[in-house]
Amino acid sequence: RKEVEQDPGPFNVPEGATVAFNCTYSNSASQSFFWYRQDCRKEPKLLMSVYSSGNEDGRFTAQLNRASQYISLLIRDSKLSDSATYLCVVNMHSSNTGKLIFGQGTTLQVKP
Amino acid sequence: NAGVTQTPKFRILKIGQSMTLQCTQDMNHNYMYWYRQDPGMGLKLIYYSVGAGITDKGEVPNGYNVSRSTTEDFPLRLELAAPSQTSVYFCASAMNTEAFFGQGTRLTVV
Repeated sequence: RKEVEQDPGPFNVPEGATVAFNCTYSNSASQSFFWYRQDCRKEPKLLMSVYSSGNEDGRFTAQLNRASQYISLLIRDSKLSDSATYLCVVNMHSSNTGKLIFGQGTTLQVKP
Repeated sequence: NAGVTQTPKFRILKIGQSMTLQCTQDMNHNYMYWYRQDPGMGLKLIYYSVGAGITDKGEVPNGYNVSRSTTEDFPLRLELAAPSQTSVYFCASAMNTEAFFGQGTRLTVV
């Protein structure tokens, strides 16, 4: 089983749609979770951290389910500029930052 | 504010050649990482370091070596380049939560 798994998509949605991405991780001892965004041929950049209580940043909501070892990202009111690849990242160490493992990434294409 | 700097940006190697990918960060971060990304795939961790003098293998370390003699520098060495090492290589550094990435090195082995 892969340490971090995502549905690669692609997800093709119209502007204004709500879309959800899922990610599962294998190591129950993992402590830190993140969503990164990667634009074509660019370096990944942090979108948001994922907290146990769930967290929201504007149109983006991230949630963590430790019991199911599952992370999600919800994007509401999709914009054309949201088109990118979204990468789930898990810190496999008990420390705050250690072995950061990336999922395969989920590609989102928002169409007019 | 340079952040994470990788050199070179592009390189073509012949099979069997060796090279070093350079990575420098000026943020005094303890953690540094090397990833490779093949087309349409996520990032695979090659090696990482939690501080000067300490390195650990990641998911795909075979064919690579690293060193961390200073906090700032984390070079990645390819000793005998193979076509399977054709990829985009990203270096990153982190202190607590957010990892900052360099712009990548596109390596082709022919």
